[in-house]
Amino acid sequence: KQEVTQIPAALSVPEGENLVLNCSFTDSAIYNLQWFRQDPGKGLTSLLLIQSSQREQTSGRLNASLDKSSGRSTLYIAASQPGDSATYLCAVILTGGGNKLTFGTGTQLKVEL
Amino acid sequence: ETGVTQSPTHLIKTRGQQVTLRCSSQSGHNTVSWYQQALGQGPQFIFQYYREEENGRGNFPPRFSGLQFPNYSSELNVNALELDDSALYLCASSQGPLSYNSPLHFGNGTRLTVT
Repeated sequence: KQEVTQIPAALSVPEGENLVLNCSFTDSAIYNLQWFRQDPGKGLTSLLLIQSSQREQTSGRLNASLDKSSGRSTLYIAASQPGDSATYLCAVILTGGGNKLTFGTGTQLKVEL
Repeated sequence: ETGVTQSPTHLIKTRGQQVTLRCSSQSGHNTVSWYQQALGQGPQFIFQYYREEENGRGNFPPRFSGLQFPNYSSELNVNALELDDSALYLCASSQGPLSYNSPLHFGNGTRLTVT
């Protein structure tokens, strides 16, 4: 059974810091890994999708890497801003599992002025 | 392009009652998946509908059931509500059940509280 773990569970940083969120998964037979953002009480917004054949994806100040063999992904946020405050979730799609997502429990990020 | 819309946004029910949640998929998307997100947890896959039939199910009891209509909209029905059913219910749509490399599009969810 695929298990997805995110560390840390919560993180508080001052504005302007660069930060790294971690995601690990137990089964390396994945099609892709996705990072989502969730604001309180809201749905999920897709940030980045890394296909299993890729090593990283970038969008603006966000960079996500994937090491399938070690079962790890990181989300790097550069020059953090208060507007980045949210919960960040990673999720994987298993090979042969349709496009069903298995999620981690998330990292709650607070960027302070 | 119309995004995924869910209704209602909030709902309060009593234990033992039944509830129906609704989801309209994004324009051009024919597949709808439902997720349950308990407080402080990641979403858990409930089931997926494609071509008006269930196409995969997570570890949820039969009192969780669904429908998909010809216009690809979907309903989630939960019978005999339990306190643990209190959660945010999220609907996601996609262009097919095997659209692995296109991100799912999520609605804002329905917050269900069971008292």
